[in-house]
Amino acid sequence: EADIYQTPRYLVIGTGKKITLECSQTMGHDKMYWYQQDPGMELHLIHYSYGVNSTEKGDLSSESTVSRIRTEHFPLTLESARPSHTSQYLCASSDRGTASYEQYFGPGTRLTVT
Amino acid sequence: QKEVEQDPGPLSVPEGAIVSLNCTYSNSAFQYFMWYRQYSRKGPELLMYTYSSGNKEDGRFTAQVDKSSKYISLFIRDSQPSDSATYLCATATQGGSEKLVFGKGTKLTVNP
Repeated sequence: EADIYQTPRYLVIGTGKKITLECSQTMGHDKMYWYQQDPGMELHLIHYSYGVNSTEKGDLSSESTVSRIRTEHFPLTLESARPSHTSQYLCASSDRGTASYEQYFGPGTRLTVT
Repeated sequence: QKEVEQDPGPLSVPEGAIVSLNCTYSNSAFQYFMWYRQYSRKGPELLMYTYSSGNKEDGRFTAQVDKSSKYISLFIRDSQPSDSATYLCATATQGGSEKLVFGKGTKLTVNP
């Protein structure tokens, strides 16, 4: 089983609140990713990182931001949550030495903004 | 047109059946083809991958890619209730393989 953790697993929060979704991996992987997954829809890449101090936006526009100060940690922040941010957020990582299709996913954070 | 099309199902089969899951894609540049399995309330896990065309077999699972028709298949033999999950196909281009393009996933239920 992959050693990639996400907290919280579930979060219900009011509009306008600032939230941070945590993602940590203990595999020493250089590459990390954030995906958004809505029921019955495709996973969409919203952010990725090749390593410390590297962050890139994915294909799906997102109002969230990310940081990569440590290899093992890749938090996602929403400054002001809105109901449109309600979704499942999945974090993943992959090793520099293997093709990036071999991504290891965390269990996800299900976010509900009321 | 979406880059990867996948019938979301749901698909329900009896235990022991052969299951066929399929995707089509539109971008000829895709070279990597993956199948991920996602159990309820879990993240996806890589099941199989194939580079370019051809077949790949792993136990009861066979992945097949036909680049001429842009068709991806996953076959499950002797299906088990533990195979009940959502199966996601994914593709990537060479050199851009960080950016996986996923299908919507097919929800499979194997009934005992």
